[in-house]
Amino acid sequence: DIQMTQSPSSLSASVGDRVAITCRASRPISTYLNWYQWKPGKAPHLLIFAASSVRRGVPSRFSGSGSGTDFTLTISSLQPEDFATYYCQQSYNAPYTFGQGTKVEIK
Amino acid sequence: QLVESGGGLVKPGGSVRLSCAASGFSFNDAWMTWVRLLPGKGLEWIGRIKNKGDGGAADYSSPVKGRFTISRDDSRSTLYLQIDSLRTDDTAVYYCATVRGAGTFDYWGQGALVTVSS
Repeated sequence: DIQMTQSPSSLSASVGDRVAITCRASRPISTYLNWYQWKPGKAPHLLIFAASSVRRGVPSRFSGSGSGTDFTLTISSLQPEDFATYYCQQSYNAPYTFGQGTKVEIK
Repeated sequence: QLVESGGGLVKPGGSVRLSCAASGFSFNDAWMTWVRLLPGKGLEWIGRIKNKGDGGAADYSSPVKGRFTISRDDSRSTLYLQIDSLRTDDTAVYYCATVRGAGTFDYWGQGALVTVSS
């Protein structure tokens, strides 16, 4: 199975900050990498697919980059509604594995 | 829209069947998946089922193979997850979702909590 490792596991940031979350795959996955946002009691929400494609309706402050084994989710200016947990996930092959999550908290 | 139901408190060794009622899209054409959120451990992919046109087969992650069964009833636009021989570490929120491509999970339900405890 492909292992996905996110860092950091949590971070504290202020509204307006630029935030970057990294995700590393245990072997190359091209650009088969997705990012999801999760808030307690709500459904997970697909933000970015194919490493850098922003899903329709997702604010432009979210962006994704990377290929091969190293990927980054960037939030250019953190907003109050962005405080959540973010997960990367490889869609290269089954089983489709997730990173352990990065919790973004208010500083 | 996806709405899960059937969760609750179940004893170890028991069984549970979760349902996921779909509306607002062509369920017949959709590949569907189940993912669970394990407390303190994050998201885990359970498995997926193809549409009938693509063969209708289901595949599973190794940890759940043999105890979990995914099925669908296209006439009811409903997806199912049968879990047998429940263990305490199956305690989780179970989500259904639509599949984009082969392994991208597009739209998700709100989840159904299954608690396994004596």
